[in-house]
Amino acid sequence: RKEVEQDPGPFNVPEGATVAFNCTYSNSASQSFFWYRQDCRKEPKLLMSVYSSGNEDGRFTAQLNRASQYISLLIRDSKLSDSATYLCVVNNANAGKSTFGDGTTLTVKP
Amino acid sequence: DTAVSQTPKYLVTQMGNDKSIKCEQNLGHDTMYWYKQDSKKFLKIMFSYNNKELIINETVPNRFSPKSPDKAHLNLHINSLELGDSAVYFCASSTRTGSVDTIYFGEGSWLTVV
Repeated sequence: RKEVEQDPGPFNVPEGATVAFNCTYSNSASQSFFWYRQDCRKEPKLLMSVYSSGNEDGRFTAQLNRASQYISLLIRDSKLSDSATYLCVVNNANAGKSTFGDGTTLTVKP
Repeated sequence: DTAVSQTPKYLVTQMGNDKSIKCEQNLGHDTMYWYKQDSKKFLKIMFSYNNKELIINETVPNRFSPKSPDKAHLNLHINSLELGDSAVYFCASSTRTGSVDTIYFGEGSWLTVV
């Protein structure tokens, strides 16, 4: 079983749609969680951190469920510019290691 | 004022050659990494250094040798390049706030072995 698992997609949605990505992790000792965004032929960039209380940044909402070892990202009112690969990241600071999921590809169409 | 910079950005070389990729970060971070992203876009950690000391070596062939002359630099030397080494290599650095490590990536080095 992979340490971090994501639905690879692809997700093809129309502009304005709401789309949700899920991620599960296997190491219960994991301490911090993130969503990164990677555009084609670019480096991954931090999108947002994920907290148990949930956090929102504009159209993006991230949620963590430690009991179920599950992370989610919700994108509302999708824009063409949201098209990218979204990477779930799980960090175990004690081990000094961050593990990336294989990514979920989103394409937003006009 | 690029935070994590790596060179070269593109590298095409023949099998059997030896090549190096350099990385520098000006963020003052203590930890630096090398990640490999293959043709299937899977991003895997190769090495992690903290204050010039090797922390993580994820079953990478001995042909790959990282070197950290100081905490702002982490270079990657690859001997006897093979076709399967073709990939994008990302350098990264991180800072720790409490128990949270936040990673920042360089723009990547596209290596093609022919």
